[in-house]
Amino acid sequence: AQSVTQLDSQVPVFEEAPVELRCNYSSSVSVYLFWYVQYPNQGLQLLLKYLSGSTLVESINGFEAEFNKSQTSFHLRKPSVHISDTAEYFCAAVRTLGSQGNLIFGKGTKLSVKP
Amino acid sequence: SQTIHQWPATLVQPVGSPLSLECTVEGTSNPNLYWYRQAAGRGLQLLFYSVGIGQISSEVPQNLSASRPQDRQFILSSKKLLLSDSGFYLCAWCGQSNTEAFFGQGTRLTVV
Repeated sequence: AQSVTQLDSQVPVFEEAPVELRCNYSSSVSVYLFWYVQYPNQGLQLLLKYLSGSTLVESINGFEAEFNKSQTSFHLRKPSVHISDTAEYFCAAVRTLGSQGNLIFGKGTKLSVKP
Repeated sequence: SQTIHQWPATLVQPVGSPLSLECTVEGTSNPNLYWYRQAAGRGLQLLFYSVGIGQISSEVPQNLSASRPQDRQFILSSKKLLLSDSGFYLCAWCGQSNTEAFFGQGTRLTVV
C-alpha cells in the first residue's frame, strides 16, 4: 500500500537544540516529497519540497531535508530550533492514482520547543 | 497570484443538522481540488478530490458528500451531521502538475 509514515507523533526539544523529524515513504509512490507546517488553527503551509536534482533541500527558515532513496526517507532537520518553530509538521508524497496524482500525508509530528 | 478561500472559519452545529462548507480558488483554472479532515491525533484524512466540474472521487465512505458546481468551487456537505464529524476541515488545490498543494485556512467544525 502507498503510504507516508512519520515515526514520532510528538517531539519535545529545548530552544537552540537540534531536531530531526522522521519520515519514511513507501517505494510505490512517486518520488515527489514535501514537508508542510501547520501553526495552531491554520491551514498547512509548504515548508520545502524535493522534486528532482540535489537530494538536500532547504527552507528559508533554516530547516533542511534530505531525500534518501535507499532508505526511502525524507527526514526534516534543523540544527538550532526557536520557540517560533513550535507547530505540527506533515510529511507528504505524491501518489499516482490512475492518470492523476494527489498528495498523501503522514499523521504529523508535533514539535514543541521549550525555553 | 492564486488564492484559496474557505469559510466559515468556525462552526458549531447540532447533531442531525445539515452542513455546507464552501471553498473557492482564484487565479488558476482547472485545479485539482481536495477536502481533508484533520481529527486530533489522526493526521490528515483525504475525504474527496475532484479533477473537474462534476467529477468527485470519494476516499472514505461516510455521511459526507462533495460537489463541484463550478471550476473553482468545491463544496462539502452533509444531510445529517454526526458527533464523529467534528474536526478541522481543510480545502486544498493542486495545479495540474500535482507537485504542490495550497491550503485554505480551515474550518473548525464542532458537532454538539
